[in-house]
Amino acid sequence: GAVVSQHPSWVICKSGTSVKIECRSLDFQATTMFWYRQFPKQSLMLMATSNEGSKATYEQGVEKDKFLINHASLTLSTLTVTSAHPEDSSFYICSASSWLAGVTDTQYFGPGTRLTVL
Amino acid sequence: KQEVTQIPAALSVPEGENLVLNCSFTDSAIYNLQWFRQDPGKGLTSLLLIQSSQREQTSGRLNASLDKSSGRSTLYIAASQPGDSATYLCAVRLGAGANNLFFGTGTRLTVIP
Repeated sequence: GAVVSQHPSWVICKSGTSVKIECRSLDFQATTMFWYRQFPKQSLMLMATSNEGSKATYEQGVEKDKFLINHASLTLSTLTVTSAHPEDSSFYICSASSWLAGVTDTQYFGPGTRLTVL
Repeated sequence: KQEVTQIPAALSVPEGENLVLNCSFTDSAIYNLQWFRQDPGKGLTSLLLIQSSQREQTSGRLNASLDKSSGRSTLYIAASQPGDSATYLCAVRLGAGANNLFFGTGTRLTVIP
């Protein structure tokens, strides 16, 4: 089956610093990647959708200048949390899907990245 | 706006028991509904996907049903095992685009040996 990886699996940083999280599709070309955020005991909330080679589409209430998304290739998308603050501490999960060759719109999820901002 | 609710929030059962997890959604015009499993600190594993035209899907000891008109889905787990302990999430999709995917808050299941 399709595999999506994330790196790092967890990260701790100081307030005010920037953190980059990578999402990779290991065995398929992901035309679309999605970034979700999950706070403790809460549901997954979609933050943004990115299509390879174009700008990401952000959901309402998500600051695009704070959460920078780059989807430069069909196998890699990055989420950079700029000037992180404690309230950004959360579990960030990416997912990937592909419309190539008639593949379904099934999303394949990564294992997540736990971000803790001190 | 679509709202997805899962009840109960947590459930503990002895090993071997059959159980039902519930999911309800407010907008019945869904494209499909999916059940996921999430282990602590981990990502999501897809369990079953039901298209809007289907009534149920089965995989092994899992059976998911969908009643679109009433906005409900259930996940039935037969002969539960300790390895089934996890958080179960349901998600509904209104359209083919992912920005129409709405997740519930999950049910945390503990199966006691």
